[in-house]
Amino acid sequence: GNSVTQMEGPVTLSEEAFLTINCTYTATGYPSLFWYVQYPGEGLQLLLKATKADDKGSNKGFEATYRKETTSFHLEKGSVQVSDSAVYFCALRSNDYKLSFGAGTTVTVRA
Amino acid sequence: EAGVAQSPRYKIIEKRQSVAFWCNPISGHATLYWYQQILGQGPKLLIQFQNNGVVDDSQLPKDRFSAERLKGVDSTLKIQPAKLEDSAVYLCASSLEGGRGEKLFFGSGTQLSVL
Repeated sequence: GNSVTQMEGPVTLSEEAFLTINCTYTATGYPSLFWYVQYPGEGLQLLLKATKADDKGSNKGFEATYRKETTSFHLEKGSVQVSDSAVYFCALRSNDYKLSFGAGTTVTVRA
Repeated sequence: EAGVAQSPRYKIIEKRQSVAFWCNPISGHATLYWYQQILGQGPKLLIQFQNNGVVDDSQLPKDRFSAERLKGVDSTLKIQPAKLEDSAVYLCASSLEGGRGEKLFFGSGTQLSVL
């Protein structure tokens, strides 16, 4: 079946540090890939997405590239801010149209 | 624009009691989802509706959980009777048509504690 494996947290960084959260997937067919974010006290919201191989999704300084050869969709940001502290979820949607989430990675950015 | 509305925000019950959650999706969204998020885990899909029909309920524990979406708009999720392991946040989400690349809009969730 479809599944997503993402880097375990928690991750603690200083402001302006580089952030990478690894995500790999197993899926039938050609899935769409997503990163959702949950800020403290708020609901889940879409951060970025990519719907086909080699696509790059980007938003708010975050980027992720859909790598079919390595079945990965790693999230990166070059310089994090305190406001980026949140839980990040990698997710995929394949031929069955079901959105499957990873376990989430908690990121804390210190000033 | 109004988002996905859920109520109540919090609920505390004892095991074997019943509980119901309500969701009002974004106007015009045909697809509605209920997810269960246990602490420290990613959300797990319980049921997906397309208008008022069920598309997927393969992970819904049907001996105790039920859901309906009357008139293809609002939805309720019920647990009867509740067990300790049902303690979780129950998230409702909606999307325009349910397409594979579509964005889901999530509500703030209902946090359920079963004592």
